[in-house]
Amino acid sequence: GAVVSQHPSWVICKSGTSVKIECRSLDFQATTMFWYRQFPKQSLMLMATSNEGSKATYEQGVEKDKFLINHASLTLSTLTVTSAHPEDSSFYICSASPGALWGGYTFGSGTRLTVV
Amino acid sequence: EDQVTQSPEALRLQEGESSSLNCSYTVSGLRGLFWYRQDPGKGPEFLFTLYSAGEEKEKERLKATLTKKESFLHITAPKPEDSATYLCAVQAFGDMRFGAGTRLTVKP
Repeated sequence: GAVVSQHPSWVICKSGTSVKIECRSLDFQATTMFWYRQFPKQSLMLMATSNEGSKATYEQGVEKDKFLINHASLTLSTLTVTSAHPEDSSFYICSASPGALWGGYTFGSGTRLTVV
Repeated sequence: EDQVTQSPEALRLQEGESSSLNCSYTVSGLRGLFWYRQDPGKGPEFLFTLYSAGEEKEKERLKATLTKKESFLHITAPKPEDSATYLCAVQAFGDMRFGAGTRLTVKP
């Protein structure tokens, strides 16, 4: 149990286009989901906290107009990278907590974004 | 500001050679310390959560311990399939903050 599905697993797009990444909790409801970014050989950097039914909370330095987050239901959060540029190329990962009894956060399998 | 420091950055072991990974943290109001395993190109896989100093948890060849300033992940008689990056994260209020990880390589 407690599976988070992330799609797509990889995507290549042209500069200036937008890319949407989906994060779904398959067997539990998640009022809060987290979006991370990871560069090669570096750790996960929190980008934003996605809240169901309300606006996302962005970390300092993360452009909210560039990284649009929508958490329309208790099982789905989406991250849209708008007007992507090569410097946006990275590994994006989402996570959610199945609840206090689970004792941890479950992560998606990640999305490798390459902007050419 | 909350800080999480992991050491060593990289560790190479022979199969069967036990060792420990360190996670030092500075956080106000620790709610939980987490250990994850991450394989290349994949999301982190949950291993343990520790909540208070003195707590220990075990899973197969792994054992996690926690003090007020640091946590250790002990690996006993590792196997090549234990090779991965091990991430430590702390949670205070809300989100988690990750350390840079320790890349473990276990040679047969």
